[in-house]
Amino acid sequence: EAQVTQNPRYLITVTGKKLTVTCSQNMNHEYMSWYRQDPGLGLRQIYYSMNVEVTDKGDVPEGYKVSRKEKRNFPLILESPSPNQTSLYFCASSLNGQADYGYTFGSGTRLTVV
Amino acid sequence: GENVEQHPSTLSVQEGDSAVIKCTYSDSASNYFPWYKQELGKRPQLIIDIRSNVGEKKDQRIAVTLNKTAKHFSLHITETQPEDSAVYFCAASKGYGNNRLAFGKGNQVVVIP
Repeated sequence: EAQVTQNPRYLITVTGKKLTVTCSQNMNHEYMSWYRQDPGLGLRQIYYSMNVEVTDKGDVPEGYKVSRKEKRNFPLILESPSPNQTSLYFCASSLNGQADYGYTFGSGTRLTVV
Repeated sequence: GENVEQHPSTLSVQEGDSAVIKCTYSDSASNYFPWYKQELGKRPQLIIDIRSNVGEKKDQRIAVTLNKTAKHFSLHITETQPEDSAVYFCAASKGYGNNRLAFGKGNQVVVIP
């Protein structure tokens, strides 16, 4: 089944403790992206990747890192999480680097930083 | 960059009635406009999209219309059903050669049985 898989689905952590949210897609998509969703703010892009070893900042990249060593994986790294990073995170992928092929979203990761 | 706004933020409709959500965008170069539906606790899913060379597109009970001159596009849901209750996000992109999809903040649609 074609899908974008995120792990974990739920995560509670403490301020300053490094964490990684994994994202993997099995559709051979070139384009991958991370969004955070907060009430009243919609979906805001954190980072995106056009292809392996190519990443770029989105609208809210501060406090996040990403890597794209393989085509299928695009992990989101929070080196020193803070409470304002408590949010619902979605990974998304698209066939190529063009947004007009539609995004496939993962199931989301609800992160709480205390 | 592109700025996408959605109105109204919340819409309540009686089952069987029609619902219309409108989005405006700022960048006249945008030419791809998708709509995503997010049910409670689930991921956003693409339900319909339109490109700038088309004024209207339909898929069963949903349709999208585009007015490039006024820079707005709308989602129309006819004969609403309880399963249409969700948050709907519109988005805009410059399409070919561009990788950024700018989302609106979302509309909560509530269908009252």
